[in-house]
Amino acid sequence: QKEVEQNSGPLSVPEGAIASLNCTYSDRGSQSFFWYRQYSGKSPELIMSIYSNGDKEDGRFTAQLNKASQYVSLLIRDSQPSDSATYLCAVKPSNYQLIWGAGTKLIIKP
Amino acid sequence: DTGVSQDPRHKITKRGQNVTFRCDPISEHNRLYWYRQTLGQGPEFLTYFQNEAQLEKSRLLSDRFSAERPKGSFSTLEIQRTEQGDSAMYLCASSPGTRDGAFFGQGTRLTVV
Repeated sequence: QKEVEQNSGPLSVPEGAIASLNCTYSDRGSQSFFWYRQYSGKSPELIMSIYSNGDKEDGRFTAQLNKASQYVSLLIRDSQPSDSATYLCAVKPSNYQLIWGAGTKLIIKP
Repeated sequence: DTGVSQDPRHKITKRGQNVTFRCDPISEHNRLYWYRQTLGQGPEFLTYFQNEAQLEKSRLLSDRFSAERPKGSFSTLEIQRTEQGDSAMYLCASSPGTRDGAFFGQGTRLTVV
């Protein structure tokens, strides 16, 4: 059974601080890794993709991948109240289906 | 707007009725997914199309659910004899390639009363 695990939270972070979100996965053959942001009542929005070990930066977001440890993380720098949302980790093994975590609820406190 | 489009946005139906949802993917995307999501959970995979071919259907899905993508463009998801447990957000997503992430539509919120 392929699984993706996330801490459900809520994770509370002061405005302006770094928010760190973590995800572990079970399938060592996984090839592609994604972070989605989902606001309450809305659909998921793709914010980061990562395919190789190491860091990938896009604006205030940094995705980190460690395939040996089967671990992917998302860092949000200079957190803003508008970053408050549920963050979903999704992993694509060698086939075409995305495997989803249940999401971490992030709250940015002004 | 060239994103994924779903219709309707909301649907309220009585138990036992049939419902059909439509999804128009991003035009150059040949991969199309249907998901279902309930509160506090990640999206639950329902089915996947590559062009017009339905390549995978969740084993969790009962025979009351069927999906089509007749010309490899838009897709429909039908639920027959709806039950209260079918109440959820139904999400459609499309993707350009095997390695790529999926881009979601706004979803259809189904309420079965």
